[in-house]
Amino acid sequence: IAGITQAPTSQILAAGRRMTLRCTQDMRHNAMYWYRQDLGLGLRLIHYSNTAGTTGKGEVPDGYSVSRANTDDFPLTLASAVPSQTSVYFCASSESRGGGAEQFFGPGTRLTVL
Amino acid sequence: AQKITQTQPGMFVQEKEAVTLDCTYDTSDQSYGLFWYKQPSSGEMIFLIYQGSYDEQNATEGRYSLNFQKARKSANLVISASQLGDSAMYFCAMREGHIRGFKTIFGAGTRLFVKA
Repeated sequence: IAGITQAPTSQILAAGRRMTLRCTQDMRHNAMYWYRQDLGLGLRLIHYSNTAGTTGKGEVPDGYSVSRANTDDFPLTLASAVPSQTSVYFCASSESRGGGAEQFFGPGTRLTVL
Repeated sequence: AQKITQTQPGMFVQEKEAVTLDCTYDTSDQSYGLFWYKQPSSGEMIFLIYQGSYDEQNATEGRYSLNFQKARKSANLVISASQLGDSAMYFCAMREGHIRGFKTIFGAGTRLFVKA
């Protein structure tokens, strides 16, 4: 069982280019999340999805879009990358019930926008 | 608005001593969950402990305990008998209930250094 996989591991991207970060989980979790991690700011929620077919905006959604066509996949797209989107991106999943459903995290994608 | 505050950017502790990492939160929901995660230098996020807003007893998991003070809206992590391997970033997180869509937000983190 792989848990959560993210691709690519790292990427250097020219500003203005379109980029999709991939996230796949095999735990059949209903809820999935995308965070960005920046030094001194911790993890900030970009978008989330409670179940296939639904998505919601997090703390910092501007410049990003997501889709949730099925339970397993939750891609994050940067339509036109900017240098301020240089960050480490973590995908996570959890059961969507309330209470103590811990999040399981992927290994992260390190993105550099030049 | 939903908010998590960790006021200690960095902490030092002597090996084998106990350390408390602070976390305060703000929410208008009655139902929520509080989590602590550890992020070692390798980068992965490791779940440590969970406390539900309706739990009357403080959560414990091995050397980790969560000092939950609901009226003060604080959820401090206590690590007993610190080990060198405890050196890492520690994040406090809060998850609100279904009305808020189970969003989970994180604090900025505390970097813990354990000294030999």
